[in-house]
Amino acid sequence: QSALTQPRSVSGSPGQSVTISCTGTSSDVGGYNYVSWYQQHPGKAPKLMIYDVSKRPSGVPDRFSGSKSGNTASLTISGLQAEDEADYYCCSYAGSYVFGGGTKLTVL
Amino acid sequence: QITLKESGPTLVKPTQTLTLTCTFSGFSLSTSGVGVGWIRQPPGKALEWLALIYWDDDKRYSPSLKSRLTITKDTSKNQVVLTMTNMDPVDTATYYCALQRGRFGEAFDYWGQGTLVTVSS
Repeated sequence: QSALTQPRSVSGSPGQSVTISCTGTSSDVGGYNYVSWYQQHPGKAPKLMIYDVSKRPSGVPDRFSGSKSGNTASLTISGLQAEDEADYYCCSYAGSYVFGGGTKLTVL
Repeated sequence: QITLKESGPTLVKPTQTLTLTCTFSGFSLSTSGVGVGWIRQPPGKALEWLALIYWDDDKRYSPSLKSRLTITKDTSKNQVVLTMTNMDPVDTATYYCALQRGRFGEAFDYWGQGTLVTVSS
């Protein structure tokens, strides 16, 4: 079971929007509506930001949104803020669980 | 308030068996739909899912590590234990335990702080 494919890095200026992609296969991302996204600041534990492709836990700003098309899921962060600078990981259920390689978001 | 905390050795030798304990509070692992999983992260690298145990004692393992992993629970102690055999330096990582609840689908909505395990002779 291979890791999901994410861009190594993305960047944007405060107030802009960025989208992070997460590409898998029909056996994981494409086969289930169980994609989740995690934010991880340096030295900290991951934090759940999106579950079930597009749902937000309470407390997560509505600037964070998720979607999926075919075998690719996406996380969009609008109105970028300095505190959004972090690593982001996607995860898909596939009978077991598979994570993406992670994307470093830089807020310029 | 939900908390999870990992504990275990910080240093193990190659070929040894690693035993990690996740002690949690604020929820019960006897509640329908609840599971506790283990995820690891080598320094500077990505997250990797290892294992998950559910309230009904159903267990799931990473296909690539299945032969080396065992996950168990002690509901009375609010603990989940992960053992990994035949440790190798490539297993050096921060090991996290995390909560999965049915209301969040297959996501992990609470995580422990993680514990760094170094494999070295």
